[in-house]
Amino acid sequence: DGGITQSPKYLFRKEGQNVTLSCEQNLNHDAMYWYRQDPGQGLRLIYYSQIVNDFQKGDIAEGYSVSREKKESFPLTVTSAQKNPTAFYLCASSDWDRGYEKLFFGSGTQLSVL
Amino acid sequence: SQQGEEDPQALSIQEGENATMNCSYKTSINNLQWYRQNSGRGLVHLILIRSNEREKHSGRLRVTLDTSKKSSSLLITASRAADTASYFCATQIQGAQKLVFGQGTRLTINP
Repeated sequence: DGGITQSPKYLFRKEGQNVTLSCEQNLNHDAMYWYRQDPGQGLRLIYYSQIVNDFQKGDIAEGYSVSREKKESFPLTVTSAQKNPTAFYLCASSDWDRGYEKLFFGSGTQLSVL
Repeated sequence: SQQGEEDPQALSIQEGENATMNCSYKTSINNLQWYRQNSGRGLVHLILIRSNEREKHSGRLRVTLDTSKKSSSLLITASRAADTASYFCATQIQGAQKLVFGQGTRLTINP
């Protein structure tokens, strides 16, 4: 099955700890994205990448970091600088040939603070 | 501030009725999209309408776009219990390679 796999489904962070959320896609898409969703809210863009070894900040990049060493993978690290990390994190990808129009989403990771 | 504002925030109807939700936006767009999210899950793309289109259909979905009013509506006809979900509009702003999402409408279909 083609798609986007996020892991883990649930993640707990201790104060001062960095945690990494995994996102892998086998859709051969060029672009990948990380969104944050707070309860009852819409999605806010954290980072996105249109090509390997390149990425851009979204609207709420502070306290987060990413890497794009492989086309298939776009891990997100929530650093200790992110003071309010509890949220639902969604990874998505899109196809260059379609002008990045339609997004395909993973099933999300719920991050909570211990 | 959010590019997309959705109305209503929550909607509860009986199975078989039609559901209409609205989205307004602020700046010029390339396209507007609607996504569905079941509780605790990722979003699923439903339909895309381009800025030069006024209406589009897909199964029980009908989307309209009025660029002069900067607004769109999503109509779900003959609703089913399985349509219970949150629905989000997302706009691709002209000159940008990213989508901006609204806050969503939570739709509940009562049997």
